[in-house]
Amino acid sequence: SAVISQKPSRDICQRGTSLTIQCQVDSQVTMMFWYRQQPGQSLTLIATANQGSEATYESGFVIDKFPISRPNLTFSTLTVSNMSPEDSSIYLCSAGPDGEQYFGPGTRLTVT
Amino acid sequence: AQSVTQPDIHITVSEGASLELRCNYSYGATPYLFWYVQSPGQGLQLLLKYFSGDTLVQGIKGFEAEFKRSQSSFNLRKPSVHWSDAAEYFCAVGAGNAGKSTFGDGTTLTVKP
Repeated sequence: SAVISQKPSRDICQRGTSLTIQCQVDSQVTMMFWYRQQPGQSLTLIATANQGSEATYESGFVIDKFPISRPNLTFSTLTVSNMSPEDSSIYLCSAGPDGEQYFGPGTRLTVT
Repeated sequence: AQSVTQPDIHITVSEGASLELRCNYSYGATPYLFWYVQSPGQGLQLLLKYFSGDTLVQGIKGFEAEFKRSQSSFNLRKPSVHWSDAAEYFCAVGAGNAGKSTFGDGTTLTVKP
């Protein structure tokens, strides 16, 4: 298994600003994943972050809006840039060994 | 492309009754299958997973699921539901060691006293 922590747990941000979310895993993992969960909805994958290479973004998500860093095998950040109210969501980080996925507690973002 | 369908948006059961949540998937190879539970305001907790082998898998909190390849299904069951089981349940299919998962839309479980 894997234990995943995220910071911050929640934030309220103004339109046009950026927020960086941190994700820490208690063990080394090859891939880390960032998901978005909009209110009352399921999870949508934003991107896959591999250490040492550019993140791979899913359709509808772009690097300029959601830049990702993966400096080592236990840590990743997701930045939500130039925020608008439509970015209000829960952002979840996940990772795990051998195809398993464990999730962090999420970051609840509200954009005003 | 992989996809997951959870046909039931909302299910209500009485406490002590049995439960079955349905999940159908579409995937070109042998899938990695997961069930997660999300309580209000909480993150996702992995209930159980299927990668290979025995098609009946046991999970935490008394849950089990059965993989049926012929029906492309991975239904979640519990023989006796407790009030604390009320939550949102997500089925997901993963791309093996590529890791990323596709989630169903979720089923909301309400437990009547």
